[in-house]
Amino acid sequence: EVQLLESGGGLVQPGGSLRLSCVASGFTFSNFAMNWVRQAPGKGLEWVSVISDSGGSTDYADSVKGRFTISRDNSKNTLYLQMNSLRAEDTAEYYCAKDRGRSHGTSFDYWGQGTLVTVSS
Amino acid sequence: DIQMTQSPSSLSASVGDRVTITCRASQSISSYLNWYQQKPGKAPKLLIYGSFSLQGGVPSRFSGGGSGTDFTLTISSLQPEDFATYYCQQSYTTPTFGQGTKVDIE
Repeated sequence: EVQLLESGGGLVQPGGSLRLSCVASGFTFSNFAMNWVRQAPGKGLEWVSVISDSGGSTDYADSVKGRFTISRDNSKNTLYLQMNSLRAEDTAEYYCAKDRGRSHGTSFDYWGQGTLVTVSS
Repeated sequence: DIQMTQSPSSLSASVGDRVTITCRASQSISSYLNWYQQKPGKAPKLLIYGSFSLQGGVPSRFSGGGSGTDFTLTISSLQPEDFATYYCQQSYTTPTFGQGTKVDIE
């Protein structure tokens, strides 16, 4: 059974930093691209970032480019999202999502339960 | 970025109804269109990928179609567990989602 378990969310002040983690199990983690998708309270879904199966290729939404960094450790089956210079508009539930492909955001066939990030003073 | 526009934004329907949701892309995306279902407090669930391919375990009452810029998600006979919000997502370029369609009980 595929499982994705996010952690690391919480309350942070504007301008602060946070690192999210997502531990994967139930599939060969190193064979698939992985994504972060977020959802502001009461709003729709927004794709944030993707990393290829090897970690050699990444992409970001314009709204987070230069502030967020996606990475992965295939030896630990873990995906990360380093979030710096956080803004109030980054407040959202952050989901880790497995890609059906190896290299870029295609469709997302498994999702974690989400971790809430709140940016507020 | 490619903009995705869903219609309607919400609809009310009864159990057994046939429901169709449309999704329009701001430019051609071939068949790179996916549909998700999200229930309150839960993560989204993939229903359809590649415009018409049913994800494993998804009931056959769900179907998808279209290509280019216009796409549909159809539920042939609405069941109680189908009341949810549905999102389309294009994967032709950097992924973008539609704004969602909330399906509730009439």
